[in-house]
Amino acid sequence: KQEVTQIPAALSVPEGENLVLNCSFTDSAIYNLQWFRQDPGKGLTSLLLIQSSQREQTSGRLNASLDKSSGRSTLYIAASQPGDSATYLCAVAGNQFYFGTGTSLTVIP
Amino acid sequence: DGGITQSPKYLFRKEGQNVTLSCEQNLNHDAMYWYRQDPGQGLRLIYYSQIVNDFQKGDIAEGYSVSREKKESFPLTVTSAQKNPTAFYLCASSIAGTETTQPQHFGDGTRLSIL
Repeated sequence: KQEVTQIPAALSVPEGENLVLNCSFTDSAIYNLQWFRQDPGKGLTSLLLIQSSQREQTSGRLNASLDKSSGRSTLYIAASQPGDSATYLCAVAGNQFYFGTGTSLTVIP
Repeated sequence: DGGITQSPKYLFRKEGQNVTLSCEQNLNHDAMYWYRQDPGQGLRLIYYSQIVNDFQKGDIAEGYSVSREKKESFPLTVTSAQKNPTAFYLCASSIAGTETTQPQHFGDGTRLSIL
């Protein structure tokens, strides 16, 4: 069964810092990998989707990479802002979607 | 605006009671999903449906039931057989199944508690 791990579980950084969130998965047979943002008490908002044939996707200050062979993805956030504070989850698509437990990010003004 | 609507936002269940969570989408998506989120755990799949009148069990289907009579609606019933129903329930949809090239869309969730 696919297992998805996100490290670290929590991260606190000063405003303006660049940061990297990590996601690892055990089965490389995936269709795609998605990164989501979740604000407290809310649903998930899709940030980026990387197809299995792609290496990375970019949207604004966000860049996500995918290395299927090593079972890893990273989400890079440039010039972090207090509004980036949220929980970030990754999900891989196999026979179903498998989610990690998330990284809780706090950006300190 | 297109999206997914979950209701109610908060729900309380008494012992021995069945409760139904509503999920409606106007995105014209074929696939719909129900997840349960507990503190410190990732989302776990309860049920999913890729087409009207068809649905499959996920990893934690025991104590839950669903129906998919209309493309836009996928209600979840939490039965009295579910002994630990307190959780945050999330409904999602996607244009196709897991092979989709488009992201999943999520509702804002329903928080279910035991009275």
